[in-house]
Amino acid sequence: DQQVKQNSPSLSVQEGRISILNCDYTNSMFDYFLWYKKYPAEGPTFLISISSIKDKNEDGRFTVFLNKSAKHLSLHIVPSQPGDSAVYFCAVRGGSNYKLTFGKGTLLTVNP
Amino acid sequence: GAGVSQSPSNKVTEKGKDVELRCDPISGHTALYWYRQSLGQGLEFLIYFQGNSAPDKSGLPSDRFSAERTGGSVSTLTIQRTQQEDSAVYLCASSLTGTYTEAFFGQGTRLTVV
Repeated sequence: DQQVKQNSPSLSVQEGRISILNCDYTNSMFDYFLWYKKYPAEGPTFLISISSIKDKNEDGRFTVFLNKSAKHLSLHIVPSQPGDSAVYFCAVRGGSNYKLTFGKGTLLTVNP
Repeated sequence: GAGVSQSPSNKVTEKGKDVELRCDPISGHTALYWYRQSLGQGLEFLIYFQGNSAPDKSGLPSDRFSAERTGGSVSTLTIQRTQQEDSAVYLCASSLTGTYTEAFFGQGTRLTVV
């Protein structure tokens, strides 16, 4: 029973356009949400996070939105660049301050 | 090196054999985590070490799995009597204080059990 779902295995976007990656979770006790980016043959790299007390966090081209009532998290990348092509994992924290539950990831391809 | 180092990068082993996977965390990082990613799945928590505290082993899938961290630095994940379902990428991460905004992952060890 998946607690964190990324329903789109892949997403293809044109360079310069917006990429929107989505994540749904089931447990309202989750209090901290993160996005990681992973290139092939590399470990995941932390990208951006948001606490449950906020609904938006922005860092340059990356913005994370949290809708607690819908238990929905999204990552917006604008403008998208070819170097953004990677697998993006949504992760949530709850119950302990170190254990994360990850989604299965979404492969983003940004076409030049 | 400056990052988290894992060895070997790839390991192919026969079913029933034991394997050891190694993780060298970033110097000075007190927290160390092991995760694994099976094909088509998200990252699955295995074990967490923090300083001299007892590790959280709640994610280890069976008693064939064990891990230790010597001297608060290098960690070894051991899988005994490997099974085909153990095939996965095993990822290690370390952080300075235990918060994930600071966690750095290694490149992983791809384990294939044949």
